[in-house]
Amino acid sequence: GAGVSQSPSNKVTEKGKDVELRCDPISGHTALYWYRQSLGQGLEFLIYFQGNSAPDKSGLPSDRFSAERTGGSVSTLTIQRTQQEDSAVYLCASSLDQGARRTEAFFGQGTRLTVV
Amino acid sequence: KQEVTQIPAALSVPEGENLVLNCSFTDSAIYNLQWFRQDPGKGLTSLLLIQSSQREQTSGRLNASLDKSSGRSTLYIAASQPGDSATYLCAAIGNQFYFGTGTSLTVIP
Repeated sequence: GAGVSQSPSNKVTEKGKDVELRCDPISGHTALYWYRQSLGQGLEFLIYFQGNSAPDKSGLPSDRFSAERTGGSVSTLTIQRTQQEDSAVYLCASSLDQGARRTEAFFGQGTRLTVV
Repeated sequence: KQEVTQIPAALSVPEGENLVLNCSFTDSAIYNLQWFRQDPGKGLTSLLLIQSSQREQTSGRLNASLDKSSGRSTLYIAASQPGDSATYLCAAIGNQFYFGTGTSLTVIP
């Protein structure tokens, strides 16, 4: 596609339920990032995938959060047993990183998650 | 840990003014620096990427500069328009993107 696509755009879920958020990066981009943005807060790093390397999971806030990237393309962020504090906009970005060279990153429109 | 600060937090200017947004970062060992804008309820739109070997980048009415040694970047917006109203974010790029908390810009017609 022309840009980074995220789905769903909005998700309302009950506390305790599991949710899956999807990110389709720009075709050919090797790097994929997940961030979240809580109301009135800055962007919080969650996880980074680069090619076939082990992902950098250092930003995941708890073991309820996990992410995978299949075939070096689509990524899914899973939140288990959702809590109200998980409510935020989850943003995905991709870039054509080449080794140590970081290139321009493009963000999707985000998934607004509301836990009630 | 990289800390990124943006000043001012909010800015309101009349249409037509030139303005400067500031971004500072504590660790100069970055790959690149990227400026974004974010409209309410939307994702981030890339404005400019400055690679660590560059000192500035220009796109239309926007000019961004980078001084790695002093840990500073500025975004200059010429002849501001109401459509420029948004939150502007800078990101210092290392192993991840380290974002500032943004400058909320309002351009008054």
